[in-house]
Amino acid sequence: DIQMTQSPSSVSASVGDRVTITCRASQGISNWLAWYQQKPGKAPMLLIYAASSLQSGVPSRFSGSGSGTDFTLTISSLQPEDFATYYCQQANSFPITFGQGTRLEIK
Amino acid sequence: EVQLLESGGGLVQPGGSLRLSCAASGFTFSTYGMAWVRQAPGKGLEWVSGISGSGGSSTYYADSVKGRFTISRDNSKNTLYLQMNSLRVEDMAVYYCAKEGPTRVADYWAQGTLVIVSS
Repeated sequence: DIQMTQSPSSVSASVGDRVTITCRASQGISNWLAWYQQKPGKAPMLLIYAASSLQSGVPSRFSGSGSGTDFTLTISSLQPEDFATYYCQQANSFPITFGQGTRLEIK
Repeated sequence: EVQLLESGGGLVQPGGSLRLSCAASGFTFSTYGMAWVRQAPGKGLEWVSGISGSGGSSTYYADSVKGRFTISRDNSKNTLYLQMNSLRVEDMAVYYCAKEGPTRVADYWAQGTLVIVSS
């Protein structure tokens, strides 16, 4: 199985900050990488697919990059509604696997 | 508008069975792959199972549920199922049904249904 490792596990930031979350795959996955946002008590929401494609309706302050084994999610200017937990997911091969999550907290 | 409505969660004893359903609307259900993802209390997301669309019948499972869970779909009813047998305490979680997009990612999610496994 492909292991997905996110860092950091948690991060504190302020409104307006630029934040980057990284995700590393245990083997190459080309660009079969997605990012999700989850708020407490809610279902996850797709932000980015194919490593860098923005899902329809997602604000442009979210961006993704990377290929192979190393990927990043960047939020260019944090808004109050962005404080949540973020997960990466590989869709290169079954079983599909998620990273352990990164909790983004208000500083 | 894509809508996914789950049902079937609840309390079951260890070793018991439960069937989850997910009624879909707002898209051509038969065309798309579907998946189940779960989240144990206070934990991260775990992909459980997937099934292909476009008339295919390929199914996929996480190692943790293989041989105990069965995913299926009824395209005439626009409904996805997850039959869960031999349930264990560690299967206790919120189960989400999700529609897959072109790159096998979950682009729409249901609200989640809670499965409690306890004696």
